[in-house]
Amino acid sequence: GQNIDQPTEMTATEGAIVQINCTYQTSGFNGLFWYQQHAGEAPTFLSYNVLDGLEEKGRFSSFLSRSKGYSYLLLKELQMKDSASYLCATTDSNYQLIWGAGTKLIIKP
Amino acid sequence: NAGVTQTPKFRVLKTGQSMTLLCAQDMNHEYMYWYRQDPGMGLRLIHYSVGEGTTAKGEVPDGYNVSRLKKQNFLLGLESAAPSQTSVYFCASGDTSGANVLTFGAGSRLTVL
Repeated sequence: GQNIDQPTEMTATEGAIVQINCTYQTSGFNGLFWYQQHAGEAPTFLSYNVLDGLEEKGRFSSFLSRSKGYSYLLLKELQMKDSASYLCATTDSNYQLIWGAGTKLIIKP
Repeated sequence: NAGVTQTPKFRVLKTGQSMTLLCAQDMNHEYMYWYRQDPGMGLRLIHYSVGEGTTAKGEVPDGYNVSRLKKQNFLLGLESAAPSQTSVYFCASGDTSGANVLTFGAGSRLTVL
C-alpha cells in the first residue's frame, strides 16, 4: 500500500533547530519532496531527495534513507516566519505525488 | 510573471448546482494538476494533464470533470455539487524536467450548502 506519516504538530523556539520526520511506504518511489505551506496560502516547493543522504539549502536541510522509508526536514536558526505547515510527499506507481497530512510548526519567541 | 492563477477565489454553491474553476499558467508547463485539500488530510489529486488535449484521473475523480483545450489552461468542473465537495481546491503546474516540483495557485475555497 501507500502511506505517508508525519507528526501533526510541533513547537519550537525562535533561534533553535527543529527536525520534522516523515516515514513513507510506496510502490513507485521516484523522490521525496518537502513543501512549505503558510496558513491560508499555497504550498511552495522546498526540497527534493532522490538519493540517500543529506541535501543542504541554506537554513533548511533534507535527509533521505530509502532502505528505511524515512526522511526528515531540518530547520536551523528558526525565525518566526518559519511558522507554517510542512508537507512531505513522494510518488506513487504512476509517478504522481502522494502527500502526508502535514506538520504544523509553531515557533515561539 | 503571474505563475499560476485560479479563479474564482471563493464560491458558495447550493447542492446540485454546477460550476467551473479556471486555472491558467504562464510558465509554458506541460503538466497541470487539480488537488483538493481538507482539514487533517493530505492533498488529494483529482485529475491531471500531461499535455494539451490530455487528461487523466487521480485519486478522487468522482463528481469532477476536467478539460485542457489550451496548454496554459486547465478547467475543473463540478457537474452537480454535493456538500462533500466543500473544500479548498489547488491547481498546480510542473515542467517535464521536474514534473513533481510544482508551482501552485493561491487556491479556491468552495462551500456547498
